[in-house]
Amino acid sequence: ETGVTQSPTHLIKTRGQQVTLRCSSQSGHNTVSWYQQALGQGPQFIFQYYREEENGRGNFPPRFSGLQFPNYSSELNVNALELDDSALYLCASSSTGQGTYEQYFGPGTRLTVT
Amino acid sequence: EDQVTQSPEALRLQEGESSSLNCSYTVSGLRGLFWYRQDPGKGPEFLFTLYSAGEEKEKERLKATLTKKESFLHITAPKPEDSATYLCAVQPREGGSEKLVFGKGMKLTVNP
Repeated sequence: ETGVTQSPTHLIKTRGQQVTLRCSSQSGHNTVSWYQQALGQGPQFIFQYYREEENGRGNFPPRFSGLQFPNYSSELNVNALELDDSALYLCASSSTGQGTYEQYFGPGTRLTVT
Repeated sequence: EDQVTQSPEALRLQEGESSSLNCSYTVSGLRGLFWYRQDPGKGPEFLFTLYSAGEEKEKERLKATLTKKESFLHITAPKPEDSATYLCAVQPREGGSEKLVFGKGMKLTVNP
C-alpha cells in the first residue's frame, strides 16, 4: 500500500511569485485535505477536495486555490506569495463514505518565501 | 468556534517516568478526536481516533482516553524514541467537510 507523497520536498520562492505543490493520495483514498503549519504551531486547515470539487475551506484568502484530479491526486496553488506564506504545507488523504475519518499525512513541502 | 488546547506545551521526562498529556476541546458537535505524533520536519503520523466519551485506545506505551470535554494521552515508561511533538485534533460533525482542527502540539523529550 502506497502512502501519501508530496513534491517538491523544499521550495524557495520570492515574494509576489506563484507556486504549485503536488500531492498523491494513499491507495484507496478519495479525499485530499491541505494544511499549513507554521513553525511551532499546529496544522491549519486550508481546504479539502472530494470528487474533484472543493468540499470545505478554512480561513485562507482566494489566492490559495486547488485542484483534485480523477486519480484523486491534488495540487495546491498559491499566487502573489507573501513572506507569511513560509510554512510546511501538508497534504492528507482519507476515505469519505467508508465510515472512518482518519486522515493520513504526507511528509510535507517546506516553502520559504524571501 | 471550534478550539483545541493542549497542555503542557512542552514536557521533559526521564526514561521510564510515566506522564499524561492533556487535550481540552470545544466543538459544536464532535465526530472524532485524533492523536498524531510528529517528528521534526516530517508530516504527522496517525496514532488514534476516539469517537465517544469513555472510549480508550492503546498502542505500545501509549493510551488515549476521551471524555466530553477533554482527552488524555498517557505515556507509560517512555523511551527516548518516544520524543516527538504530539498533536491533538478534533473533527467537527457540523459542516460539509471533514476538516481537522488542531491544537498547537506538545513537545515531549525523553532523556535516557
